[in-house]
Amino acid sequence: GAVVSQHPSWVICKSGTSVKIECRSLDFQATTMFWYRQFPKQSLMLMATSNEGSKATYEQGVEKDKFLINHASLTLSTLTVTSAHPEDSSFYICSARRARSPYEQYFGPGTRLTVT
Amino acid sequence: AQRVTQPEKLLSVFKGAPVELKCNYSYSGSPELFWYVQYSRQRLQLLLRHISRESIKGFTADLNKGETSFHLKKPFAQEEDSAMYYCALSGASGSRLTFGEGTQLTVNP
Repeated sequence: GAVVSQHPSWVICKSGTSVKIECRSLDFQATTMFWYRQFPKQSLMLMATSNEGSKATYEQGVEKDKFLINHASLTLSTLTVTSAHPEDSSFYICSARRARSPYEQYFGPGTRLTVT
Repeated sequence: AQRVTQPEKLLSVFKGAPVELKCNYSYSGSPELFWYVQYSRQRLQLLLRHISRESIKGFTADLNKGETSFHLKKPFAQEEDSAMYYCALSGASGSRLTFGEGTQLTVNP
């Protein structure tokens, strides 16, 4: 149990367009979801924390108007990269946490975004 | 502020040798420490956490508050242990995870 999926697994888009990435908890209800960004051979950097039904909390330096996060249900969170630029190219990973396991996060497989 | 440091980006050992992946942390309160592992082409997954005091796949880690360390150890490394290992810290219950830079472990035959 505790499977998290992401869609798409990879996406290529043109500069200036917007891209939406979905994160789903398949077999549990996720009260909190996290969005990370990972550059090649680097660690995961937390971008934002989202709780179902409320606004996301963004980490310092992350533009909330550029990275729109919606957590409308207990099984789905979306990250929309608006007006994407080549520097937004990265690996985006989500994780989900359930109410009864506050310490454990379950990670999605990640989404590779390439902006041309 | 919370911070996690993994001083070794790369670690290479031979099969059957002991292995220790170092992790040091900085946190003003009582932290929760974790080790996550990412095998090639797979997602990040929890390996172990200090509060459960368990041994997973032969790995153990002891929280040393005096040295602010949480080193991961295994007495006899196996080739299948080759992976990227991340040490992570969480503050108050349910708060954000802070990851270290990661250590790429390679176990040679």
